[in-house]
Amino acid sequence: DTAVSQTPKYLVTQMGNDKSIKCEQNLGHDTMYWYKQDSKKFLKIMFSYNNKELIINETVPNRFSPKSPDKAHLNLHINSLELGDSAVYFCASSQDISVLWIHFGPGTRLTVT
Amino acid sequence: AQSVTQPDIHITVSEGASLELRCNYSYGATPYLFWYVQSPGQGLQLLLKYFSGDTLVQGIKGFEAEFKRSQSSFNLRKPSVHWSDAAEYFCAVGEDTSGTYKYIFGTGTRLKVLA
Repeated sequence: DTAVSQTPKYLVTQMGNDKSIKCEQNLGHDTMYWYKQDSKKFLKIMFSYNNKELIINETVPNRFSPKSPDKAHLNLHINSLELGDSAVYFCASSQDISVLWIHFGPGTRLTVT
Repeated sequence: AQSVTQPDIHITVSEGASLELRCNYSYGATPYLFWYVQSPGQGLQLLLKYFSGDTLVQGIKGFEAEFKRSQSSFNLRKPSVHWSDAAEYFCAVGEDTSGTYKYIFGTGTRLKVLA
């Protein structure tokens, strides 16, 4: 009965490849997010979707393309992976855009070699 | 722009000792404040949050935090630390971006507990 789940948990790939990370929440929330945690543990928001609509895009390179097929899913696709993309990516959700309590997923550790 | 500062990158305490992790924020309006804990290899777990009202907030695992507007601080405390509290602790402020909220995180404090 995991609230916010992500797959895979670990992802190791080479530069130039394209990869996707999947996220699902079973909380019935309207809003979902992607956060990136870099090697220094700094956490920063990347995207936010509300009812499948993009509402926050924090100047992330356009190699990163989130996709929300329905409000319970928010996937992250990354094209032409670079070394600097190595990080832990956290999916999260909240009841709606005006609710501050955000539930985080377990994270996906992406390593680009 | 809003910001959150956690002055201590690392803190080491002995098991059973008291703990205080510092957090200072910069925010124009009434802040919404949070503390999260991240155990090694794990996701983020909410410890406690402050929206309004009583400035002393109780959280899970015996943690509490006190909001001090005059000092722009929201320090996390625990009277007696357990070895299982060793983790990374993040303070965050909820920022309103045209009706949409997002978190601004501090850089984290890594807590080490000595047996």
